Amino acid sequence: AQSVSQHNHHVILSEAASLELGCNYSYGGTVNLFWYVQYPGQHLQLLLKYFSGDPLVKGIKGFEAEFIKSKFSFNLRKPSVQWSDTAEYFCAVILYNFNKFYFGSGTKLNVKP
Amino acid sequence: NAGVTQTPKFQVLKTGQSMTLQCAQDMNHNSMYWYRQDPGMGLRLIYYSASEGTTDKGEVPNGYNVSRLNKREFSLRLESAAPSQTSVYFCASSAHYEQYFGPGTRLTVT
Repeated sequence: AQSVSQHNHHVILSEAASLELGCNYSYGGTVNLFWYVQYPGQHLQLLLKYFSGDPLVKGIKGFEAEFIKSKFSFNLRKPSVQWSDTAEYFCAVILYNFNKFYFGSGTKLNVKP
Repeated sequence: NAGVTQTPKFQVLKTGQSMTLQCAQDMNHNSMYWYRQDPGMGLRLIYYSASEGTTDKGEVPNGYNVSRLNKREFSLRLESAAPSQTSVYFCASSAHYEQYFGPGTRLTVT
């Protein structure tokens, strides 16, 4: 079965610190990759996506992610986090030409003001 | 455009009761999904529908049924609720490999 792993379950940072959240998936074929964010009490919103082309993708609110095919990874980064980035972050994968999405277990980020 | 809407937002059931969660989208998407979200487990796919008239099981379909009533609506039914079904349920629709989520239904089964 396909799987998506997010190894950091809970991350605590101070404002202005740099962020990197790991995401690895297990599938050797063509994939589309996503990061979603869920702010407290809200539904999931798309942060950024990778379909093809430049492996470094930029999303909203200063987030970016790098697709490294050889490592089956799609790590999320932000150079300087803000208190408003406190949320849960989910990595997701969809296999090309399939309809099913696979989500990681999520990483809760707490940013201290 | 309302996007993806879900009703109800909150529900408390007693063990053995039944209920239907409603979902509708106004984006003319072919694919629709039902997920449950539990702490530390991310989103797990219950059922999905690739197009009107078709439904398929996801990772955790036991105890649930679905109906793709038309292109807009995709309902999730719990025939006999169990405490293990206490969760937050999200409906989503998809086009071009992107998903759009509804606001969720928080269900508690006592």
